[in-house]
Amino acid sequence: DGGITQSPKYLFRKEGQNVTLSCEQNLNHDAMYWYRQDPGQGLRLIYYSQIVNDFQKGDIAEGYSVSREKKESFPLTVTSAQKNPTAFYLCASRGLGAGELFFGEGSRLTVL
Amino acid sequence: SQQGEEDPQALSIQEGENATMNCSYKTSINNLQWYRQNSGRGLVHLILIRSNEREKHSGRLRVTLDTSKKSSSLLITASRAADTASYFCATVFEETSGSRLTFGEGTQLTVNP
Repeated sequence: DGGITQSPKYLFRKEGQNVTLSCEQNLNHDAMYWYRQDPGQGLRLIYYSQIVNDFQKGDIAEGYSVSREKKESFPLTVTSAQKNPTAFYLCASRGLGAGELFFGEGSRLTVL
Repeated sequence: SQQGEEDPQALSIQEGENATMNCSYKTSINNLQWYRQNSGRGLVHLILIRSNEREKHSGRLRVTLDTSKKSSSLLITASRAADTASYFCATVFEETSGSRLTFGEGTQLTVNP
């Protein structure tokens, strides 16, 4: 079935460690997005990518990094520079010229 | 940021009643979308309204857009307990580098049986 797969679903990390969240889509979508959601709040845009090998910073890119080496994949690294990384991370994709975003089921990161 | 602001933050109604949620935003947009999120899950797209449209319907959903007031509303008619979820508006701004979708804070809807 076509869709977006995020892994892992739950992740625990010690302070000072980098962690990479995976996002894979088989929808043949050009654009991919990463959002962060804190409890009871809306989504904030971290990074987005329109095409392979190109990506743009969103509203809260500091402390995060991404790559887009393949159309299907858009991994997000939460670096040790991110001051408060505990959150729910959502990946989404969008077809060229299309309107809606398709979301994965999210990855919940907890920093111990 | 052109992040949308939604009100109310929380809404509790009885089954069969209508639910109205509002979204305001700050800058010009290409289109506005509404999404639903069940607790701890990803978001699901509900409906999209373009900047040159004023009203749109989809099943029990009715969306309006007033670009002069920079506001939109989502009406869910004849609500059901299964409609209980968080609802978010997202404004879409097309840039040369791609499309930015910016979400509001959401409205938590509870429909009581």
